[in-house]
Amino acid sequence: DAGVTQSPTHLIKTRGQQVTLRCSPKSGHDTVSWYQQALGQGPQFIFQYYEEEERQRGNFPDRFSGHQFPNYSSELNVNALLLGDSALYLCASSLSETQYFGPGTRLLVL
Amino acid sequence: KQEVTQIPAALSVPEGENLVLNCSFTDSAIYNLQWFRQDPGKGLTSLLLIQSSQREQTSGRLNASLDKSSGRSTLYIAASQPGDSATYLCAVKEDDKIIFGKGTRLHILP
Repeated sequence: DAGVTQSPTHLIKTRGQQVTLRCSPKSGHDTVSWYQQALGQGPQFIFQYYEEEERQRGNFPDRFSGHQFPNYSSELNVNALLLGDSALYLCASSLSETQYFGPGTRLLVL
Repeated sequence: KQEVTQIPAALSVPEGENLVLNCSFTDSAIYNLQWFRQDPGKGLTSLLLIQSSQREQTSGRLNASLDKSSGRSTLYIAASQPGDSATYLCAVKEDDKIIFGKGTRLHILP
C-alpha cells in the first residue's frame, strides 16, 4: 500500500496565477481532507470531500475549490494566488476515525 | 469556536530524560484527540488517538492522556532519544473537522 500520495512535491507560482494540487488517498479510503500549514503554524482545515461532494469547509475564501473523482482521488485548486497562500498543503484520507496524511505539496508564491 | 493551545512552543532536553507535552482545548464536545509527529518539511504521522470516552492510550515509550472535562491532554515521552526530535502536534476532532494546535518543537540533546 503506497499510502497517501501528493503531487507535485514543490511548486513556485507568481501572484495572480492559478494552481492545482493533487492527492491520491490510501487504498480503500473514501474521504479526503485538505489542510494548509503556514510556516510555524499548525495545519488549518480547508475542506473535506466524500462521495465527490464537499462535506465540510473551513474558513477559506472561494478562491479555494476542490474536486473528488470517482476513484476517490482529489484536487485542490487555488485561483488568484496571493503571497499569503505560500504554505505546505496537506492532504489526508480516511475511512473511519483516523486520518492518514500525505507528505504535502510546498507552494511558494512570489 | 474551538481553539487548541500547546505549551511549551519549544523544548530542549538531554537524551534519556522523561518529558511531558501539554495540550488544551476550549470546547469539550470533541469526538477524539490525536497526537501527531511532524519532521521538518514533512507530512504528519499519527502517534496516538484517544476517543472521547477514553482516558489514555499507550504506544511503546509514548503515553497520552485525555481529561475532556477540563479540556486537557498530555503526551508523555519516556527515555527520550535524539530520534524523537520533531514537532509534536495535538489535534481535536469535532464534526468532520480536525483542529490543530501550533505544535511543540522538541529537540533532544545527545
